[in-house]
Amino acid sequence: KAGVTQTPRYLIKTRGQQVTLSCSPISGHRSVSWYQQTPGQGLQFLFEYFSETQRNKGNFPGRFSGRQFSNSRSEMNVSTLELGDSALYLCASSSWTGGNTEAFFGQGTRLTVV
Amino acid sequence: DAKTTQPPSMDCAEGRAANLPCNHSTISGNEYVYWYRQIHSQGPQYIIHGLKNNETNEMASLIITEDRKSSTLILPHATLRDTAVYYCIVRSPSGNTPLVFGKGTRLSVIA
Repeated sequence: KAGVTQTPRYLIKTRGQQVTLSCSPISGHRSVSWYQQTPGQGLQFLFEYFSETQRNKGNFPGRFSGRQFSNSRSEMNVSTLELGDSALYLCASSSWTGGNTEAFFGQGTRLTVV
Repeated sequence: DAKTTQPPSMDCAEGRAANLPCNHSTISGNEYVYWYRQIHSQGPQYIIHGLKNNETNEMASLIITEDRKSSTLILPHATLRDTAVYYCIVRSPSGNTPLVFGKGTRLSVIA
C-alpha cells in the first residue's frame, strides 16, 4: 500500500510569490491534514479536510489556504510569501477524522523563501 | 498548546530498553494518548496509541498509569535507527481534533 505522497519535495520561491503544494493520501483515506514545521515554532497545525470540506483550521493568516478534491487529494496554497514561511510542510492522511484514528505523514515539502 | 510534558532529551545504550516518560496530568477521561516519532528531516511516524489499557505492537509498548496521568513508551531493544524526537500527544476522540505536537523528547541511542 503506497504511503502519503507530497510533491514537490523541495521548492525555492521569492518573497511575494505564491506557491501550491500537493498531497496524495493513502488510498481509501478521506481525511488530510496539513502542518508547518519550523525550528522556532515546531510542528503547528494548519488545517484539516475531510470529504472535501475543511473541518478544522489552525491559527494561521488567510494567506494560507487549502482544498481537497473528490479523490481526497489535497493542495495547500500560500500567497504573498514571506521569509518566515520557509518551513517543512507536512501532510497527514487518516481514514477518518477523530481521536481514535492513526494519522500517517508524508515526507514533507521543504519550502525556502528568499 | 500541548497538554503533555516530556523530558527534552534522553540517552539509551544500543540493545537496551528505552523508556520514554510523558506526563499528561490534565487528561480527560475519553482522551487518547498517542506517540509519534520524527527522524531527522522526515515526516512524523505513528508508533502507538491507547486509552486506558497497556498496548503493544511490533514497534513498542505503551504503559498508561491507572490514573491515566502519565504514560511510558517502551522500545524494548533500541537500535541506532531509533534515534529520533519522540512526541507524546493527548487527543480528544471527537472529530475535528488535530494532533497538537509539543517539543518532544530527543532520544539518542548510543553504540
